[in-house]
Amino acid sequence: DAGITQSPRHKVTETGTPVTLRCHQTENHRYMYWYRQDPGHGLRLIHYSYGVKDTDKGEVSDGYSVSRSKTEDFLLTLESATSSQTSVYFCAITKGTSGRGGLDTQYFGPGTRLTVL
Amino acid sequence: GESVGLHLPTLSVQEGDNSIINCAYSNSASDYFIWYKQESGKGPQFIIDIRSNMDKRQGQRVTVLLNKTVKHLSLQIAATQPGDSAVYFCAETWEGYQKVTFGTGTKLQVIP
Repeated sequence: DAGITQSPRHKVTETGTPVTLRCHQTENHRYMYWYRQDPGHGLRLIHYSYGVKDTDKGEVSDGYSVSRSKTEDFLLTLESATSSQTSVYFCAITKGTSGRGGLDTQYFGPGTRLTVL
Repeated sequence: GESVGLHLPTLSVQEGDNSIINCAYSNSASDYFIWYKQESGKGPQFIIDIRSNMDKRQGQRVTVLLNKTVKHLSLQIAATQPGDSAVYFCAETWEGYQKVTFGTGTKLQVIP
């Protein structure tokens, strides 16, 4: 257990509405990540953060924004939800001492299932 | 969640037998590899990792083998149990890269 919670766990929304997903960690880890998981695609990185107010894009960042104002919280916002954003969203953190997020094992939260109608 | 297992290659194994799950990775510069297990409705769970200066690493009932020559990774599960039924996928990364690349996974079904 890496002390990661995600909220909400399930959400149904309508096309065009903004949606914010929250990831909360209790262990003050520097690196946090947002992924989406879809059948046939595996986990794809949306955005990641390497510190408070420090974020960068992943491979599928279009239509998503993130914010990290506190170490413990990493928010993912769908500015105007579309049906193609129906997915399961996972937050992850990196534990380790290498100082390089990619070289340390990632631990995942329980996921948020988002349905956009 | 439940949809993770759709469209994935499936390995069916009798309970008590050994399982071998394979993964071909893409980047010859990758030097750190991780295996994850994902049960239905849950997030991926770390199983075991290996760095490129090793070719074998053992855990409890699991062994990871790395063949850098052919860019191949395998996960061996000894005495497979019903609780091992899940989707397994490998991940790779490399020095200086802040992100991880994940494979699409293999579904393991254990037959009682």
